[in-house]
Amino acid sequence: QKEVEQNSGPLSVPEGAIASLNCTYSDRGSQSFFWYRQYSGKSPELIMFIYSNGDKEDGRFTAQLNKASQYVSLLIRDSQPSDSATYLCAVNSRARAQAGTALIFGKGTTLSVSS
Amino acid sequence: ETGVTQTPRHLVMGMTNKKSLKCEQHLGHNAMYWYKQSAKKPLELMFVYSLEERVENNSVPSRFSPECPNSSHLFLHLHTLQPEDSALYLCASSHPLYPVGTIYFGEGSWLTVV
Repeated sequence: QKEVEQNSGPLSVPEGAIASLNCTYSDRGSQSFFWYRQYSGKSPELIMFIYSNGDKEDGRFTAQLNKASQYVSLLIRDSQPSDSATYLCAVNSRARAQAGTALIFGKGTTLSVSS
Repeated sequence: ETGVTQTPRHLVMGMTNKKSLKCEQHLGHNAMYWYKQSAKKPLELMFVYSLEERVENNSVPSRFSPECPNSSHLFLHLHTLQPEDSALYLCASSHPLYPVGTIYFGEGSWLTVV
């Protein structure tokens, strides 16, 4: 089983709709969860991180975490064409972080928002 | 500005050449990373340095040789590469405590091996 799994997409949504991006992870010791956005030809940039079960909102973005189901999602409200990118899910644990080891990334989901 | 600077941004090298990629972080972090990103593949972690000590080496071929002289600088020395090594090489840095595990990427170095 892969450590972090994402549907590669593409996920296509019309402008103004809600885009829902999903991610599952295998390590139950994972404690921190991240969403990165990567535009074509660019490096990943951090959008949000979440530690606790439930929802975390930041502007049009909402991250949702369910540790029991080992599931994390990202909702993008009022999707804009500028949101078209690949969204990477990544997970870590405190043990890995304190050891200086790195995030494990999923393959990413490509989102396309049409105007 | 990302706080993590990579040079060169683009590099074309022959299979017999020796070149180096450089990374510098201005964020006061004490862990640095090299990732490789090939087309249609997930980010592959290559090397991790924590407090200038290599803590992870994910079965990377010896033609890639990292160097971390201090917590702000990281190099990736390249020699006798293969065309399949052509990819985007991303440097990143992090502080291990808060937010736990968050890493910040440089803009990457596009490498083409001919």
